[in-house]
Parts: sequence; C-alpha cells; structure tokens
Amino acid sequence: DAGITQSPRYKITETGRQVTLMCHQTWSHSYMFWYRQDLGHGLRLIYYSAAADITDKGEVPDGYVVSRSKTENFPLTLESATRSQTSVYFCASSDAGGPEQYFGPGTRLTVT
Amino acid sequence: DQQVKQNSPSLSVQEGRISILNCDYTNSMFDYFLWYKKYPAEGPTFLISISSIKDKNEDGRFTVFLNKSAKHLSLHIVPSQPGDSAVYFCAAEPNRDDKIIFGKGTRLHILP
Repeated sequence: DAGITQSPRYKITETGRQVTLMCHQTWSHSYMFWYRQDLGHGLRLIYYSAAADITDKGEVPDGYVVSRSKTENFPLTLESATRSQTSVYFCASSDAGGPEQYFGPGTRLTVT
Repeated sequence: DQQVKQNSPSLSVQEGRISILNCDYTNSMFDYFLWYKKYPAEGPTFLISISSIKDKNEDGRFTVFLNKSAKHLSLHIVPSQPGDSAVYFCAAEPNRDDKIIFGKGTRLHILP
C-alpha cells in the first residue's frame, strides 16, 4: 500500500542499548522528518532530510543519528538509549513543493 | 522560546455547537500556517492551511482565520461532531525554510 510506514510500532529496550526506528514512504517525497511527541512539549523535530544523503539537525538532535541512503527510507538510531528518550516517535514526509507533511502512525518507545 | 503557542491545553464543546481553537505566534516571518488533527495511537493528519497573504480559508466545516497584526490564528469547526474529538496542533512555516514549527496542541472534547 502507498503511504508512510514505521516499524516497529512498539519497542521496549534497556538503557544503553542501540535502537533503530525505521521509516519508509512510497510517495517519493524529497523531504523526510523525525519528531518526538512528549506530554507538555507537543511535536519536536529531531532531524530532517531534504534528499538522499542530505540530513540536518532539528530542535532536539542530541543522542540520535540518522541516515538517508535511499529517498524512501529514513532510519533513526538511538546509539545508547536513555530513559529520557522514552517517547512516541513520528516520521513524516513532504513534497518539495509544499509545507504539508504526512505522518506515519508512530513508534512508541520505552527505555527501561 | 516557543514560537507557536496554543495556550489552551483542552477544550470541551457541545455537539452541534462551534469549536474555536486558538493559536498565537511570535515570528512575523512565518508565511504559512497549518492545522493538524491527531487521534490517539495514530499519526497527525493534515487538516487545513492558510497562506499569510490571506485572512481566511474554508474547507467544509473547517475554517481558519488569520490575524497578522495580532499574530493570531484560529480554527473554527461548525458544527462540531463526535469524530472531531482529538488533539489539534497548530503549525507554522518560516519563510524560505524547510521545516514547520508545531504548537503543543489542544485536546478537543465534543460532548454529547
């Protein structure tokens, strides 16, 4: 099916472990984004990418790494997970022509 | 410093009445504004937008009003329906930027 998907939908991990959240879109949108949603903070941008091999930091990039070797994929890696990274993570994409972003269903990550 | 502010964390409205969600912003360089709707356990979905050169945009039951002098926008939902119960995020795009900035959201409850 066309659209934007995220995997896994739920993940529990331990402090210090490496975790990778996957995001895949089938629209060939040039832009992709990673957000986290926390109570009292709304949606905060972690990293974004304007095209394959081009990434840039958002508001809260510390502790996260991204890559974009293919237009359709934008994985987010927590290299050494901390409890403060417990959150719901959303991936989004947008076409170069407009600001509207289209979101995936989210990944709920719990770091114990 | 919050550039997009939604000062009401929640709002309750009787079914059939008008729901008015408010948003204030501080950056006069924003040139596009968007509203997103989010149900629990789902990603945000784009609802309606408005360019800074307009003061009103309407789409069915949803109307967004922009008051640039007051740096204020509002989303009107008429008439409110049970399916409108959700969290609504206001967002803004700075001029010539790839990113949008989200407010913290307002939870709308439609009462039967």
